[in-house]
Amino acid sequence: GENVEQHPSTLSVQEGDSAVIKCTYSDSASNYFPWYKQELGKRPQLIIDIRSNVGEKKDQRIAVTLNKTAKHFSLHITETQPEDSAVYFCAATGGDFNKFYFGSGTKLNVKP
Amino acid sequence: NAGVTQTPKFQVLKTGQSMTLQCAQDMNHNSMYWYRQDPGMGLRLIYYSASEGTTDKGEVPNGYNVSRLNKREFSLRLESAAPSQTSVYFCASRGPGGNTIYFGEGSWLTVV
Repeated sequence: GENVEQHPSTLSVQEGDSAVIKCTYSDSASNYFPWYKQELGKRPQLIIDIRSNVGEKKDQRIAVTLNKTAKHFSLHITETQPEDSAVYFCAATGGDFNKFYFGSGTKLNVKP
Repeated sequence: NAGVTQTPKFQVLKTGQSMTLQCAQDMNHNSMYWYRQDPGMGLRLIYYSASEGTTDKGEVPNGYNVSRLNKREFSLRLESAAPSQTSVYFCASRGPGGNTIYFGEGSWLTVV
């Protein structure tokens, strides 16, 4: 199966600063890379995703970049706000496109 | 439209007891999943079902069994619970041709 590694495990930023979370994957057949946000005690919810034929995707303050050659992808959050505080998970599909393999998560703390 | 519903939300078991986590989705999705979430380890796939009548092992299937009763329902059974199975369990589903995984609210299981 796929192996997804995620860094850092915790990230603390000041409100208004940018935050970057990085993930690497092992299976070159992976072609879909979603990011999920999980607030305390809640279910994970999709915030942005990218397919392998695209290098970058933006949605307001969040963006994802993908480098297929290096097999890594990153989540960028600009102008962070306290409500961005949560755990973020990256994921990849691996060669079996029906399965999703998640990274270990990054706990983001945005200090007001 | 409730999405993905799982029960129970909280459960305490004694070592060796058995129980079944129930999951149902009303989005007419083909694919359904069971994940477990442990601190620092992200979401790990236990079992997956591509359609009614089919199931497949994920990353951590040992100690669990599943049943895809029909298109709506996908249950997870612990035959003889162990303290190592203390975790938060998430059921999820995904529609045909779609990439977004929709999660249930989670089931907090403690084995003492």
